[in-house]
Amino acid sequence: QKEVEQNSGPLSVPEGAIASLNCTYSDRGSQSFFWYRQYSGKSPELIMFIYSNGDKEDGRFTAQLNKASQYVSLLIRDSQPSDSATYLCAVNRNDNNNDMRFGAGTRLTVKP
Amino acid sequence: DVKVTQSSRYLVKRTGEKVFLECVQDMDHENMFWYRQDPGLGLRLIYFSYDVKMKEKGDIPEGYSVSREKKERFSLILESASTNQTSMYLCASRGQGQNIQYFGAGTRLSVL
Repeated sequence: QKEVEQNSGPLSVPEGAIASLNCTYSDRGSQSFFWYRQYSGKSPELIMFIYSNGDKEDGRFTAQLNKASQYVSLLIRDSQPSDSATYLCAVNRNDNNNDMRFGAGTRLTVKP
Repeated sequence: DVKVTQSSRYLVKRTGEKVFLECVQDMDHENMFWYRQDPGLGLRLIYFSYDVKMKEKGDIPEGYSVSREKKERFSLILESASTNQTSMYLCASRGQGQNIQYFGAGTRLSVL
């Protein structure tokens, strides 16, 4: 079992729809959770982080965390073609900031 | 803004060559990281450094070494490049007491 699992996709949504990206993790000691966006051929850029159970909203993005289920998700509202990218879920294993585990990423395509 | 600069975007080397990948950050971060990214495998940690001249092995250190002589610079060395080291290499840095890693643009290395 991978430590951080994501559906590789591709996930395709029409412009204006809600895109839902999911991630599960295996280490119950993890306390910090991150979503990075990576355009093709580019480096990952942080778009959201979440530490507490529940929802955290930032503009069109909402991160959701459920530690009991070891599940974190990212919702993108009003999806735009510019959101087309690979989204990486990352988790600090055992709350160690030097031990970040990444999922393999979900490729999202937003069709005009 | 945090800036993490990798010296080369693309490199082509031959099997057996010694390869140096350089990374410089301008935010006085204590912690620096080298990852490789391969399709379907996500980012995997090769080495990290938490201080000048200090280093720790990550998950896949075999075939690599690192050097951190100055706080802002972290070098990844492939002593004798092999074809299975063809990959995208990403450098990251993180400030002490923070838990967000900032990435460089990446170096795509091809070993022929």
